Amino acid sequence: DGGITQSPKYLFRKEGQNVTLSCEQNLNHDAMYWYRQDPGQGLRLIYYSQIVNDFQKGDIAEGYSVSREKKESFPLTVTSAQKNPTAFYLCASSFSGGSYEQYFGPGTRLTVT
Amino acid sequence: AQSVTQLDSQVPVFEEAPVELRCNYSSSVSVYLFWYVQYPNQGLQLLLKYLSGSTLVKGINGFEAEFNKSQTSFHLRKPSVHISDTAEYFCAVSEGSNYKLTFGKGTLLTVNP
Repeated sequence: DGGITQSPKYLFRKEGQNVTLSCEQNLNHDAMYWYRQDPGQGLRLIYYSQIVNDFQKGDIAEGYSVSREKKESFPLTVTSAQKNPTAFYLCASSFSGGSYEQYFGPGTRLTVT
Repeated sequence: AQSVTQLDSQVPVFEEAPVELRCNYSSSVSVYLFWYVQYPNQGLQLLLKYLSGSTLVKGINGFEAEFNKSQTSFHLRKPSVHISDTAEYFCAVSEGSNYKLTFGKGTLLTVNP
């Protein structure tokens, strides 16, 4: 079955540690995205990538980093510089162009204490 | 810059009643419009989308939405809701070839017996 996988579902870290969230897709999509979701805030774009080895900052990129070494994979690192990292993180992918819907993974809930 | 306003953060209704979830957008160019649904602790699933053509769009699970260009609205409707429709609903807009989806803050639909 085609789809997007995110792992792990739940992640716990101590403050000051970097943590990497996994996102893999087998839909042959060119574009991939990372969103952060907080209660009552909707989804906010962190980073997106339209092609391998290229990515752009979204609206809230500070304290995050990404890589896109393979078409299928777009891992997100939450660094210790992110002041409030506890949130629900969603990965998505789509074909190229604004008319194509984004397909979402099941999400990773990160808790930092 | 594009933006999306979902006018109601919460909508409680009784089972088998009709429901309308309101969405207004602002954009200076032609847009593509989407409605997504999110069940608790899950990713987002596409309900329907408007790209062009007929202004009445039918989606999954009996939902439909009407695009009104003069009022810059894209309201979601269902004539008779079920308990299983309880979820959060997000309206989103993209502009032309712009990959970026801008989301509203969501409307929590609660269907009571």
